[in-house]
Amino acid sequence: DVKVTQSSRYLVKRTGEKVFLECVQDMDHENMFWYRQDPGLGLRLIYFSYDVKMKEKGDIPEGYSVSREKKERFSLILESASTNQTSMYLCASSLGGLGGYTFGSGTRLTVV
Amino acid sequence: RKEVEQDPGPFNVPEGATVAFNCTYSNSASQSFFWYRQDCRKEPKLLMSVYSSGNEDGRFTAQLNRASQYISLLIRDSKLSDSATYLCAVNMFGRDDKIIFGKGTRLHILP
Repeated sequence: DVKVTQSSRYLVKRTGEKVFLECVQDMDHENMFWYRQDPGLGLRLIYFSYDVKMKEKGDIPEGYSVSREKKERFSLILESASTNQTSMYLCASSLGGLGGYTFGSGTRLTVV
Repeated sequence: RKEVEQDPGPFNVPEGATVAFNCTYSNSASQSFFWYRQDCRKEPKLLMSVYSSGNEDGRFTAQLNRASQYISLLIRDSKLSDSATYLCAVNMFGRDDKIIFGKGTRLHILP
């Protein structure tokens, strides 16, 4: 089974801090994604990547950046954390086609 | 029209009953369709891909209606453990790798 591992399950950060969320997948998938999920708003795509060093903006990229230096690792960076970035962050990877996405277990980030 | 739309529920259904959800999508060029299950405070997990001919996995049946642009999920003989949020997901713009998720339908199975 594909495994997608997110480095932290729960994280508490202060406003203004730079925050790194790490995601690693072990099945050589080309495609990786970062979502946030909030009650009533569903899953919203922040950034995605189809290849190493490649990135594309999703629907809500403001306040975030990403890094994909290696195929298996996709990092989400909050440049200066704000309270409205308190959310559940979910990383996913896929092979494409009919396989769908495999999600990591999520990082629940609280910005205080 | 929203890209992917679901009734948020909750659906409160007695154990053993049959329940069905629909999900509509706006882009007629969409090619891949999925149902995910998400338990409270957990990540979504792929339940089923939805094929043009429909597909069945045990008590779960998924159907695609391209003409009316919706997919459906039918759960027969529902169990308490089926209580979860069910997300539909649709590949938009004909590209397999970017999936749009619905906001989910909450299902509560009542003893």
